[in-house]
Formats: sequence, C-alpha cells, structure tokens
Amino acid sequence: NAGVMQNPRHLVRRRGQEARLRCSPMKGHSHVYWYRQLPEEGLKFMVYLQKENIIDESGMPKERFSAEFPKEGPSILRIQQVVRGDSAAYFCASSPSAGRSYEQYFGPGTRLTVT
Amino acid sequence: AQSVTQLGSHVSVSEGALVLLRCNYSSSVPPYLFWYVQYPNQGLQLLLKYTTGATLVKGINGFEAEFKKSETSFHLTKPSAHMSDAAEYFCAVSVAQGAQKLVFGQGTRLTINP
Repeated sequence: NAGVMQNPRHLVRRRGQEARLRCSPMKGHSHVYWYRQLPEEGLKFMVYLQKENIIDESGMPKERFSAEFPKEGPSILRIQQVVRGDSAAYFCASSPSAGRSYEQYFGPGTRLTVT
Repeated sequence: AQSVTQLGSHVSVSEGALVLLRCNYSSSVPPYLFWYVQYPNQGLQLLLKYTTGATLVKGINGFEAEFKKSETSFHLTKPSAHMSDAAEYFCAVSVAQGAQKLVFGQGTRLTINP
C-alpha cells in the first residue's frame, strides 16, 4: 500500500509565478490536509478537504492561495503570484474516512523556493 | 482553542542516556495527543498517539509517552538513546470528533552525542 505521495519534491519559482503542489492520498483515504512548515517552525494547518469539498480552510491565507480535491485525481494546492515569504515546506496528510481513526499519514513534502 | 508548547527547541543527550522531550498542551475538551518524528528532508512519521484509555502509551523505536491530565502534559521518553534517534520531534493535539486538523508544537531538535 503506497503512502501519501507528493510532487514535485522540490519546486523553484520566481516571484510572481504560480506554484502548483500535488498530493495523492493513501489508498482508501478520503480526507486530505495541507500544512505549511516555515524554516525553524512547526507545522501550521492550512486546509482540510474531502472529495469535492473544502471542510475547513481557516489556516489558508486570504489571498493567492487555493486548494481543491476533485472527484478524480490528486489534491492540488495552488499559490498564485508567489512571493519570497511563500518559501516553505508544504506537507500533505491523509486519513481514512472512518470517524474513529484520527491518525494522519504524512507525505514527504514539497519544498518551495521563491527566488 | 488548542495549543501545544514544547519546552526546549534543542535537546542534546549522550548515546545510551535517557531521552526526555517535554510537551504541554491546552485544550478545552479531552485531547487526542500525538508525537511525530521528522528526519532531515523527510515527512513526518507517527511515533505514538493517545486517544482514550491507558495513559502510558508505547510507540515505535522504543519511545513511550504518558498522558497526565492534571499537568496537561504528554512528555516523550526513551530509556536509552541511539544515534539513529537524532531528528526533529513534534508534539500535536487534536480535538477530534472526526478527522480534524492537528495543532503542532514548535518542535524539538534532538542531538545524540557519541
């Protein structure tokens, strides 16, 4: 059973460009979470999605950031017009749909560098 | 709102010595607590978790943690450190009435001295 997959692992963008980060959850998992890790800091929650629905986006910046989890295909975190402050590691996690399972399985992360 | 405080951003111990990483939490409802480990340039791996029941929780790689409600703590310990334990450790809390977001502490970087 493959784990959570994220691609690309490393992404370099110039200021003003768009960044698209992809996350494929573990097989059978229908809950996806995105977290951001700034240098020397812990992980901060960004958004929680189920298939075709955004459940909690309380941690998402109000502008330039969006996320989706379509019926088919991976979850996408999109950052428009990137700035240097967006440089960070972005982690995706997934969990099963069953209500009593609270464990989140993390992917290897995408390290975004904005030049 | 929930929060997590990890005391000590860096901890250094000798190989074979006791490892103690401290975590205190704040939660208005019974918490679900987790410890994750992150090796350089990798994702997070779950070490152990507390949901309900026994307050002493055993995890992988010889780690364990004890939930102490009166002290709002969930410290991580390992009796004898190994060089391979060098990594960053994160404590996290979830309110969890279903799959919910995790709130993480700032992390503790563990260094093992030979």
